[in-house]
Amino acid sequence: DAGVIQSPRHEVTEMGQEVTLRCKPISGHDYLFWYRQTMMRGLELLIYFNNNVPIDDSGMPEDRFSAKMPNASFSTLKIQPSEPRDSAVYFCASQGQNSYNEQFFGPGTRLTVL
Amino acid sequence: QKEVEQNSGPLSVPEGAIASLNCTYSDRVSQSFFWYRQYSGKSPELIMSIYSNGDKEDGRFTAQLNKASQYVSLLIRDSQPSDSATYLCALDDRGSTLGRLYFGRGTQLTVWP
Repeated sequence: DAGVIQSPRHEVTEMGQEVTLRCKPISGHDYLFWYRQTMMRGLELLIYFNNNVPIDDSGMPEDRFSAKMPNASFSTLKIQPSEPRDSAVYFCASQGQNSYNEQFFGPGTRLTVL
Repeated sequence: QKEVEQNSGPLSVPEGAIASLNCTYSDRVSQSFFWYRQYSGKSPELIMSIYSNGDKEDGRFTAQLNKASQYVSLLIRDSQPSDSATYLCALDDRGSTLGRLYFGRGTQLTVWP
């Protein structure tokens, strides 16, 4: 079985540029989560979706961040404009309806904003 | 905001020893608890889940849960250098079986040969 797929794996961009991170959840999973991980703040939940609908976006740091899930097999996290403090590893995770909160993480995207 | 507290470590144990990782939490309503292992530069990987008070064993790993005292622990017996990683404790949101988890900051474990 394919796990959660994320792209790109690494992204280096300059301050002010738009960044789009992509995620394909495990087939059949109803929940999709976007996390950000830094040394200072640990693993933070940014937003999560259930059946493509955003349920909780309280972790999105500011309006520069947006996330969409146009269908069950694809989600994007966009940062526009990017800033150096956005540098982090961004993880996508998915969960199935009957999996009792067991979340499965993708490999992550390491974002560096110069 | 739910609090999930872990000793940041680093915890260092010799090969073959028992490593003990602890986690305390603030919300009495949580019902499901998880341990994730994260190797350096990799993503978190679920290694244990526990839902009832007591012990749950899986190979060299034992998870212990005490809801009354609001702590969950992970014991690693016969520790191996390959167990060197950061271990994240996580728990559910208000007893829900679906949806968000709350993660601790993690405990870094080093097993030296």
